[in-house]
Amino acid sequence: NAGVTQTPKFRILKIGQSMTLQCTQDMNHNYMYWYRQDPGMGLKLIYYSVGAGITDKGEVPNGYNVSRSTTEDFPLRLELAAPSQTSVYFCASSYNDDPPTGDQAFFGQGTRLTVV
Amino acid sequence: LAKTTQPISMDSYEGQEVNITCSHNNIATNDYITWYQQFPSQGPRFIIQGYKTKVTNEVASLFIPADRKSSTLSLPRVSLSDTAVYYCLVVSTDSGYSTLTFGKGTMLLVSP
Repeated sequence: NAGVTQTPKFRILKIGQSMTLQCTQDMNHNYMYWYRQDPGMGLKLIYYSVGAGITDKGEVPNGYNVSRSTTEDFPLRLELAAPSQTSVYFCASSYNDDPPTGDQAFFGQGTRLTVV
Repeated sequence: LAKTTQPISMDSYEGQEVNITCSHNNIATNDYITWYQQFPSQGPRFIIQGYKTKVTNEVASLFIPADRKSSTLSLPRVSLSDTAVYYCLVVSTDSGYSTLTFGKGTMLLVSP
């Protein structure tokens, strides 16, 4: 039972480069999230999706883009990487009824990104 | 969105009960209270969720008073492996969507 899988686990980028962080879940969850966590801090929501084809901005969306073409996948795209994007990125998924009840979210193991 | 306030850190010893209190004064009628645990270099893990009164599972108990302006996560007989950061979240569903907003959490250190 894989749960939420993130790739890669580690990555070093040069300033100005682009990359895509991959996230896949096999639990048929409708909600998916991307968070970033800076050292010693809590998680900040970048983008979220409530279903295939629907995405919305979170607290810190600048410099990132997402897409949700399938229920399973929710890639996060970094364009023109900057040192301020050095962080650990977590993807998560959950199942929420309509109306939502905030059911438990399952997190991936994270991607540690360094921009130099 | 209801803001949460919890202690930055707590210390305990193995075998003791630990209670972490979180205040959420402006919680809305349809909001839920959820707690997550995070070990270093790992993603957060769901512990427990409640709406009012008391909820208990195999890991912890969650106490929520009638006014719901605070909640207390209770960890019975902690062990060294309970050393982690604990996050209190108020899950808002008023917009029709459910999103999770994390604060800085409480760093619990359990000593022998």
